[in-house]
Amino acid sequence: DSGVTQTPKHLITATGQRVTLRCSPRSGDLSVYWYQQSLDQGLQFLIQYYNGEERAKGNILERFSAQQFPDLHSELNLSSLELGDSALYFCASSVGPDANYEQYFGPGTRLTVT
Amino acid sequence: GENVEQHPSTLSVQEGDSAVIKCTYSDSASNYFPWYKQELGKRPQLIIDIRSNVGEKKDQRIAVTLNKTAKHFSLHITETQPEDSAVYFCAATPFTGTASKLTFGTGTRLQVTL
Repeated sequence: DSGVTQTPKHLITATGQRVTLRCSPRSGDLSVYWYQQSLDQGLQFLIQYYNGEERAKGNILERFSAQQFPDLHSELNLSSLELGDSALYFCASSVGPDANYEQYFGPGTRLTVT
Repeated sequence: GENVEQHPSTLSVQEGDSAVIKCTYSDSASNYFPWYKQELGKRPQLIIDIRSNVGEKKDQRIAVTLNKTAKHFSLHITETQPEDSAVYFCAATPFTGTASKLTFGTGTRLQVTL
C-alpha cells in the first residue's frame, strides 16, 4: 500500500459524458501527478500540481482538466468522453516540487467509455 | 523533450537466472532514473532509482547501472524468482525546474519460468 488513494476504482460511462476522478496523496506529500495508461501508449504524463498550483503539463487534452484543493487532494475531470479515452488513470504523489523526487502511485481508476 | 527507449519488450528467463533490461535516453540533462515494477492490474511500484552522480546502485537482488556518456541505464535482477514476473518500466527526467516530468519507457514484460 503506497498511501495514495484513488476513487472510484472502476468507472463505466458513455461517449460524450463527463467524469471526475479523485486522488488523495500520501500524508506529507505536496505534489500530485496524473498519468494515463492505455495498452498501446504505456504510461503518459498528463499534469502535475504542487501545493495547489499547476507545476508541469504533459500530453493532456483540452477536454481534460485538473485541480488540487487546499487539503491537497486532486481531481481530474474528463469531458466529452470518446472511446479512445478508455484507459487506466493513475495518480502519484511526491514530497517535492519536481519529477526527480520519488513518486508513489495510487491503485488507479479504470475508465471504460462505451 | 526527453525520449526513452526500452529493450527488450518481452523477456523470459528460468528461475534462478539473471535478467537485464536496458534503457536509453536522449536528453543529456536527465539526472534521475527510476525503475517501476507493475504486476497485472496493479499500480506501478518504485523498486530502485539512481541519480546521475552515481554509476551503480544495488538493493539485494536488484541493481541499476548508469552510463552517462552513452546515455543508457540498465536494470539487473539476479537469482530471479516467479514473483519477479511483471512489467518493468524505466523512466528519466531532467532537472529543469517547473518543466520537469518523468518520461517512461514502453515497458518490458518479464516472465520467470520454473
